[in-house]
Amino acid sequence: DVKVTQSSRYLVKRTGEKVFLECVQDMDHENMFWYRQDPGLGLRLIYFSYDVKMKEKGDIPEGYSVSREKKERFSLILESASTNQTSMYLCATGARWGEATEAFFGQGTRLTVV
Amino acid sequence: AQKVTQAQTEISVVEKEDVTLDCVYETRDTTYYLFWYKQPPSGELVFLIRRNSFDEQNEISGRYSWNFQKSTSSFNFTITASQVVDSAVYFCALYATGANNLFFGTGTRLTVIP
Repeated sequence: DVKVTQSSRYLVKRTGEKVFLECVQDMDHENMFWYRQDPGLGLRLIYFSYDVKMKEKGDIPEGYSVSREKKERFSLILESASTNQTSMYLCATGARWGEATEAFFGQGTRLTVV
Repeated sequence: AQKVTQAQTEISVVEKEDVTLDCVYETRDTTYYLFWYKQPPSGELVFLIRRNSFDEQNEISGRYSWNFQKSTSSFNFTITASQVVDSAVYFCALYATGANNLFFGTGTRLTVIP
């Protein structure tokens, strides 16, 4: 079974803190994604990566950055957390899209910024 | 531009009733893939089905069935004889090869009342 592991289920941080959300996958997938889920807005793509050290902005990259130094690990960084970044964050992984696979999701990290 | 619309925000049904979740998509790509995911209260998105744009055959898997109609750009999901365990948020998603990204609808929250 594909396993996508996010480092924390729940996280509480203070405004202005630098926050790291980690995601690790064990299936050797090329693509990795970070989504943010908010009520009424569905899932919105923050960043994705299609290879090591490669990254692409999604729909809402402002206030976030990412790092992919190893194929299995994709980190989301909030440089200076703000209350409007309180949300559920979901990591996903998938093989090359040409192989028409689905995306596999982690269990999510519910981040609260106070 | 790619877009997925799930007009039903919330649906409640009584156990054993049939229920259909609607999904309408927009894309200019001729090659694309459509997905349905289930998000139970635990938070992790669970893959249900993938359909490519060249295959309009309907699919049935146990109590679940999917109706894909390119003429109306719809990919609807029906649960027959609903059960309490079907209570979840259901997301429809679109992958278009030109965009190299997975676009989600805003989700439909299904509540099955015992």
